[in-house]
Amino acid sequence: QVQLVESGGGLVKPGGSLRLSCAASGFTFSDYYMSWIRQAPGKGLEWVSYISSSSSYTNYADSVKGRFTISRDNAKNSLYLQMNSLRAEDTAVYYCARARPRPPPGAMSHFDYWGQGTLVTVSS
Amino acid sequence: EIVLTQSPGTLSLSPGERATLSCRASQSVSSSYLAWYQQKPGQAPRLLIYGASSRATGIPDRFSGSGSGTDFTLTISRLEPEDFAVYYCQQYGSSPRLTFGGGTKVEIK
Repeated sequence: QVQLVESGGGLVKPGGSLRLSCAASGFTFSDYYMSWIRQAPGKGLEWVSYISSSSSYTNYADSVKGRFTISRDNAKNSLYLQMNSLRAEDTAVYYCARARPRPPPGAMSHFDYWGQGTLVTVSS
Repeated sequence: EIVLTQSPGTLSLSPGERATLSCRASQSVSSSYLAWYQQKPGQAPRLLIYGASSRATGIPDRFSGSGSGTDFTLTISRLEPEDFAVYYCQQYGSSPRLTFGGGTKVEIK
């Protein structure tokens, strides 16, 4: 069965860095686009970033552009999010999610599987 | 960026009643690239509907989606106890800019 397991969350000071990981299993990882979506405590969902199946396309929300970097290792069935220059407003549960590609190249689709999330807290 | 506005913010209903949730987009959502998700406390979201009206795998047929352009609806025909949750719409027609609505909470009356 499809499984997505996030790790790497924790408490970090403002201006600090953190790297999140998402381990995928139960499907052919290299066939799917992957994304990070976050949810601040008591708030709604916010798309953060996505990456195409072969890493040819990446995109970021304006709120994280220039600070976060998404990457993947298809040989390890893993997705990553490098988060730098963290701010208090980045505090959230971060979910990784899977999406099928759709035309045109680089376009995202709906998210059919989600991990359970990892909590990132940015506080001094 | 397409802004999605969900209404009402909270829907108070009893089990067995019909629930109608609205999602309105600030611009037309191309090719009806709109999805609905259900989220229960402490859990990840679960895909219910994609392409505005297609049910995801394993989703009961009491859940249905409709709409096009800027107006979309999620209908739960008869609420079961496990359906009380928060529901989000999401558009992916304007990829790479993906957006979610603010959510509708369906609570027990």
